[in-house]
Amino acid sequence: EVQLVQSGAEVKKPGESLKISCQGSRNSFTTHWIGWVRQMPGKGLEWMGIIYPDDSDTKYSPSFEGHVTISVDKSSTTAYLQWSSLKASDTAMYYCVRHFQKLVINDAFDVWGQGTMVIVSS
Amino acid sequence: EIVMTQSPATLSVSPGERATLSCRASQSVSSSLAWYQQKPGQAPRLLIYGASGRATGIPDRFSGSGSGTDFTLIINRLEPEDSAVYYCQQYNHWPPLTFGGGTKVEIK
Repeated sequence: EVQLVQSGAEVKKPGESLKISCQGSRNSFTTHWIGWVRQMPGKGLEWMGIIYPDDSDTKYSPSFEGHVTISVDKSSTTAYLQWSSLKASDTAMYYCVRHFQKLVINDAFDVWGQGTMVIVSS
Repeated sequence: EIVMTQSPATLSVSPGERATLSCRASQSVSSSLAWYQQKPGQAPRLLIYGASGRATGIPDRFSGSGSGTDFTLIINRLEPEDSAVYYCQQYNHWPPLTFGGGTKVEIK
């Protein structure tokens, strides 16, 4: 069974940096796009961006480009989402997701991580 | 950006009855439409892809239809465990891939 396992909840202060992780199953990690989805408290789902683990090709939603960085370590089958300077408005649950079909960007998300809650508060 | 609009915002249905959820795209997304179920405190789960294909393990009580701009998710024989928020998502045009605002299904 393919799984995405995310790192634990974080509590940070505004201005601090943060990197959260998402570790996938070895057998299919490098062949599917991996993405990140934000869910602010009590709100809906927002697609942030994606990365192709085999070559680190990365694409961002215009709403998030420049505010976050998506990266990957193929050797450990782990994707990352990071901030250099957090804001209170970054408080949210963040999910990593796997695109359904190999190589395809225009696709549904068939595997979801359990989510990482990020709280940014002074 | 493709805007996805879901209706109604909340749906209250009795057990055993049918729930009908709607999703409309601001422009055609062909059949590149998925539905997800999110229960409280859980990650979303893929129900439907390609507008009408059921994901692995999804009971046939769930069915999707539509193409272009108008889509429907039907839940037949509603069970208490179906209480959740349901989101549609288009993946025909990116960036970004976009979600609807969700429909909350409540069991009477």
